[in-house]
Amino acid sequence: SQQGEEDPQALSIQEGENATMNCSYKTSINNLQWYRQNSGRGLVHLILIRSNEREKHSGRLRVTLDTSKKSSSLLITASRAADTASYFCADAGNTPLVFGKGTRLSVIA
Amino acid sequence: DARVTQTPRHKVTEMGQEVTMRCQPILGHNTVFWYRQTMMQGLELLAYFRNRAPLDDSGMPKDRFSAEMPDATLATLKIQPSEPRDSAVYFCASAITGVSTYEQYFGPGTRLTVT
Repeated sequence: SQQGEEDPQALSIQEGENATMNCSYKTSINNLQWYRQNSGRGLVHLILIRSNEREKHSGRLRVTLDTSKKSSSLLITASRAADTASYFCADAGNTPLVFGKGTRLSVIA
Repeated sequence: DARVTQTPRHKVTEMGQEVTMRCQPILGHNTVFWYRQTMMQGLELLAYFRNRAPLDDSGMPKDRFSAEMPDATLATLKIQPSEPRDSAVYFCASAITGVSTYEQYFGPGTRLTVT
């Protein structure tokens, strides 16, 4: 299983702004998942984007997948303080899921 | 509301002591994963089981770590003897695998401190 690399490592924004984080792989991506981890908690699944999809929305989340560039991005619109967390991507086409070090998002009220 | 449970939530122990962490996967899930998370290394996969059989434990230090699934409702991770470098948060996750894609459900973790 391959490990994705999230970028940036850390991101700090004001409440109401949009947050964008990226995920890149060295080899081809199958289906891709994004997870969120609040401080002191386990990871929680946010959204899955399949390899035949280019964009997917879920509430304030927008995920894109570019298989030719082996990359994905997660956009959180109109961020809230409660969005403060670490965000991880994982190649969902493999067992087991392997996670990178994530992007630490801080949303300042 | 089905969820993965882990016990204990916190454990402080002295170097050289045995530590046992337990995980109850979601009923009906066929795969259990153990991860370790530290600031330096991030989230590392230690081992995983499918249908109670160990599939991969290459991420685990074999001399001191062992993982088992005595039955479908219990997974254990043991460290003997424990060392200060084992201090970390240990997560268990479960899933239904063998399909085209799947979602992992994580427990709340066991925060281990070895002094």
